[in-house]
Amino acid sequence: EPEVTQTPSHQVTQMGQEVILRCVPISNHLYFYWYRQILGQKVEFLVSFYNNEISEKSEIFDDQFSVERPDGSNFTLKIRSTKLEDSAMYFCASSVSGDPPLHFGNGTRLTVT
Amino acid sequence: AQSVTQLGSHVSVSEGALVLLRCNYSSSVPPYLFWYVQYPNQGLQLLLKYTTGATLVKGINGFEAEFKKSETSFHLTKPSAHMSDAAEYFCAVSRSGGSYIPTFGRGTSLIVHP
Repeated sequence: EPEVTQTPSHQVTQMGQEVILRCVPISNHLYFYWYRQILGQKVEFLVSFYNNEISEKSEIFDDQFSVERPDGSNFTLKIRSTKLEDSAMYFCASSVSGDPPLHFGNGTRLTVT
Repeated sequence: AQSVTQLGSHVSVSEGALVLLRCNYSSSVPPYLFWYVQYPNQGLQLLLKYTTGATLVKGINGFEAEFKKSETSFHLTKPSAHMSDAAEYFCAVSRSGGSYIPTFGRGTSLIVHP
């Protein structure tokens, strides 16, 4: 069964550094999403992306965050200047259309020190 | 606005016992409802979903959930727990019109004792 793949599985970075989290959505899917889960808290929506532009974003997704689909297969989340509170598990997801369900990757655990 | 409340951050059962994970939702429009499972070091996997039609929904691995509009609930059940069911379970709600972006609950960790 096709999967959403995320790399790396774990990323450690220092506060103030830029990080890029990478995702390869399922090939025939058109909608892409990023969610995050701070340890012990709920899974929170960050952003959705369709047709090479952001379709929705949450309050969490401020100017420090950006998303890009640099080629036909990758979907990336960039955090420009990481803060301690950005430490979380980041999940990428995709869907065929804008309807759920979403198909999730295994996540990237980001640790900011 | 939509929201999900999962009662109990941890639920502990014995192998073979009934599993009941509770989920209540809030939505201003008819909802779509989902349960996802997360095994250690893995992503979120869809267990089952309710969109329209039959209110009792069957999913993978013997799980089922019933949409009860009057109670705004979508509890997840399984008649007999297996050790392999130990995981984190997430309830999610999305709107049936407009934005389909799912909103998740905090998750319930299911612990299964031998």
